[in-house]
Amino acid sequence: SYVLTQPPSVSVAPGETARITCGGNYIGTKSVHWYQQKPGQAPVLVVYYGSDRPSGIPERFSGSNSVNTATLTISRVEAGDEADYYCQVWDGSSDQGVFGGGTKLTVL
Amino acid sequence: EVQLVQSGAQVKKPGESLKISCKGSGYIFNNHWIGWVRQMPGKGLEWMGMIYPGDSDTRYSPSFQGQVTMSADKSISTAYLQWSSLKASDTAMYYCARPEVNKGPFDIWGQGTMVIVSS
Repeated sequence: SYVLTQPPSVSVAPGETARITCGGNYIGTKSVHWYQQKPGQAPVLVVYYGSDRPSGIPERFSGSNSVNTATLTISRVEAGDEADYYCQVWDGSSDQGVFGGGTKLTVL
Repeated sequence: EVQLVQSGAQVKKPGESLKISCKGSGYIFNNHWIGWVRQMPGKGLEWMGMIYPGDSDTRYSPSFQGQVTMSADKSISTAYLQWSSLKASDTAMYYCARPEVNKGPFDIWGQGTMVIVSS
């Protein structure tokens, strides 16, 4: 089955830029979606189809995808961005969804 | 407003059966897949499978095939996830979620149902 690999944790100071990666075999050929999950809450979609944002999601959230790594970029990080972030793709070969292991973003 | 509302938390004993629900509103329930996602305590999200309420077509992750059953009652816009014999390892938060399009991102999530299995 298809595997997505994320770093367990990323730390960044307020106002800086956070980059969270999601590695997968030829992930650049897939549509990648990103979710934010704060403690005690359901996940929220923050970026979809690689770089689109749902309404209500700040422009500070952006995504990119290249060959074997997709990246969620959060610019001008705020304390409220502290959360777990998950990438997700649809694996056509197994016809099922796949989540990455998640990355805990800490705002220093 | 498009939303999914899940049934409340459950505490069960090993070997018991359980059925939790996910009711959709604000959209045509029959026309969108519903996915189920497991989150064990302190762990990440796991894709369990999906059901299409229009015809009850289902797709299970191999990890959950045979362990749970997904169903839907389109007359009341509700999807279900059930277990015939719970194990302690089924203790987790379970989310239902809706993709706008088939195989697309989950843009709407339920609030989650906590299931605790303990003797």
